[in-house]
Amino acid sequence: EAGVAQSPRYKIIEKRQSVAFWCNPISGHATLYWYQQILGQGPKLLIQFQNNGVVDDSQLPKDRFSAERLKGVDSTLKIQPAKLEDSAVYLCASSLDGLAGGTYEQYFGPGTRLTVT
Amino acid sequence: AQSVTQLDSQVPVFEEAPVELRCNYSSSVSVYLFWYVQYPNQGLQLLLKYLSGSTLVKGINGFEAEFNKSQTSFHLRKPSVHISDTAEYFCAVSEGEWGAQKLVFGQGTRLTINP
Repeated sequence: EAGVAQSPRYKIIEKRQSVAFWCNPISGHATLYWYQQILGQGPKLLIQFQNNGVVDDSQLPKDRFSAERLKGVDSTLKIQPAKLEDSAVYLCASSLDGLAGGTYEQYFGPGTRLTVT
Repeated sequence: AQSVTQLDSQVPVFEEAPVELRCNYSSSVSVYLFWYVQYPNQGLQLLLKYLSGSTLVKGINGFEAEFNKSQTSFHLRKPSVHISDTAEYFCAVSEGEWGAQKLVFGQGTRLTINP
């Protein structure tokens, strides 16, 4: 089966510019996650969707970050305006709905490496 | 909220030697535990997971981990490592309601295999 797709793979922008990342989860996966991985750290959850509804966005800096998952499939994560500290790898993951017998396994995409100069 | 501590940020070992990567988590009534591996410029790949049952869990690539509830640990082991095992390893714990689980990751351990 096809894995989680993300684009672009790399992005370099200047501070105060805006940027958007795209994610296509594995077909049939109801839950989608966006993580931020700063160099030398473990991934940190930014937002979690169940179908097209937000389950958890407690760690999303809502003054500059936004995300949507229209129609419960693809998702986009946007940063506007970007700051230097936003330089990181942004990982998208998907999983089956636990209520449907999911095994709690999250499948990760290759990530988008963002550099803010 | 859960937290995960990976006790070693870097572990260098020689090829064919055994290795143990240590992971401790904060206590909870029930936990689901995971080890993920990240190769350079790639996403994370699941090595193994503990949901319930036997405390010794076997995963891919010859890795295994032991869940120790009394010590709140979930250490990862491999009896003989290969050059291709060079990567970053992340321990994670799942928290949240059934169907809305999220992962909390440790800081990662960089495993370097020397010939």
